[in-house]
Amino acid sequence: RKEVEQDPGPFNVPEGATVAFNCTYSNSASQSFFWYRQDCRKEPKLLMSVYSSGNEDGRFTAQLNRASQYISLLIRDSKLSDSATYLCVVILVTSGTYKYIFGTGTRLKVLA
Amino acid sequence: GAGVSQSPSNKVTEKGKDVELRCDPISGHTALYWYRQRLGQGLEFLIYFQGNSAPDKSGLPSDRFSAERTGESVSTLTIQRTQQEDSAVYLCASSRTSYTGELFFGEGSRLTVL
Repeated sequence: RKEVEQDPGPFNVPEGATVAFNCTYSNSASQSFFWYRQDCRKEPKLLMSVYSSGNEDGRFTAQLNRASQYISLLIRDSKLSDSATYLCVVILVTSGTYKYIFGTGTRLKVLA
Repeated sequence: GAGVSQSPSNKVTEKGKDVELRCDPISGHTALYWYRQRLGQGLEFLIYFQGNSAPDKSGLPSDRFSAERTGESVSTLTIQRTQQEDSAVYLCASSRTSYTGELFFGEGSRLTVL
């Protein structure tokens, strides 16, 4: 079983739609959680951190459910510029080392 | 610029040759990571440095792969006797510490093995 699993998509949505992505992780030693964004043929960039209390940044809301080992990202009022691959990332801490594990990503296409 | 710099940006080599990929992290960043991304695939963890030490080498696919970091700065990823399955983009990232959560990536080195 992969350590971080995501639905690869693609999710094709019209402009203005609300879309949600999910991610599950298998290792309960996972300590910190993030969403990164990767544009086509570009490097990944941090989108936002994910907390149990939930956090919001403009149109983006992230949520963590530790009991279910599940992370979500909600995008409201989708823009064309939101088209990208969204990567779920966990930091696995073992014996004092910090390993960033990336999911394979969920592709989003926002259509005009 | 002040970002993570990788070289070469593109490398085409023949099967069996050795290649070296270089990463210059952001100055002062103590943690450095190497990932591999095959076409259409996710990021595959290779190795992580804290300072000049590599506490986690678990992702290196075979003994043909090695990496080092010197001066808590530049890192080199070496692939010996390259194979066609080594073709991928090799991404380097640095972070101020191991646990800040924000990795700053370079643009990657695209390796093609013929």
